[in-house]
Amino acid sequence: IQMTQYPLLLSTSLGDRVTITCRTSRDIRGNLAWYQQRPGRAPNLLIYSTSTLQSGVPSRFSGSGSGTEYTLTITSLQAEDAATYYCHQLQTFGPGTTVDI
Amino acid sequence: QVRLVESGGALVKPGGSLRLSCVASGFAFSEYYMTWIRQAPGRGLEWISHISGRSIFEDYGDSVKGRATISRDDAKNSVYLQINNLRADDTGMYYCVRLHLRQLMLPDLWGQGTLVTVSS
Repeated sequence: IQMTQYPLLLSTSLGDRVTITCRTSRDIRGNLAWYQQRPGRAPNLLIYSTSTLQSGVPSRFSGSGSGTEYTLTITSLQAEDAATYYCHQLQTFGPGTTVDI
Repeated sequence: QVRLVESGGALVKPGGSLRLSCVASGFAFSEYYMTWIRQAPGRGLEWISHISGRSIFEDYGDSVKGRATISRDDAKNSVYLQINNLRADDTGMYYCVRLHLRQLMLPDLWGQGTLVTVSS
């Protein structure tokens, strides 16, 4: 399966609403996850099964989508949200979207 | 505390071998699939290998197939990755990762990583 993300780089400001899109080469029936990787740190699971928030993840993160197109939305961007975000399905990761605040 | 701690990363010459180790704590290790995921400097995430609980099943990515062996010792709560014939493009941070118990192939707990550098 091929996974693409866009944009690859987002220049944003504190308090902004951010949307990242992940597109897959075939219908993955909602089996999509999102990870956040802060600089110098290991990735951290944010969302799985398209929209289920992992325990401990702030509610400003949300996911949606179906078929071959999925989105991660961050409302009211905080400083600690500066990171690279990866979509994931089975053994494949997207290329990553860097959010620069 | 639920955690994964990797070790074994090093500077290795091309053609050399390395064995990475990962010790788990705080959860029922033997019940979980475990995987190794690597990240080349400044690059994305690459799934290297995974192994089922009790070592029943294992699989490898194309980039390491034939050169890598994943194994585990459930009595020691440990998983290992041996890579032979190392190449420059094996350079990167290697993460030991637990897969979710109920969601297929979903990494849900990551170690801090161990750095492998392949260079002459």
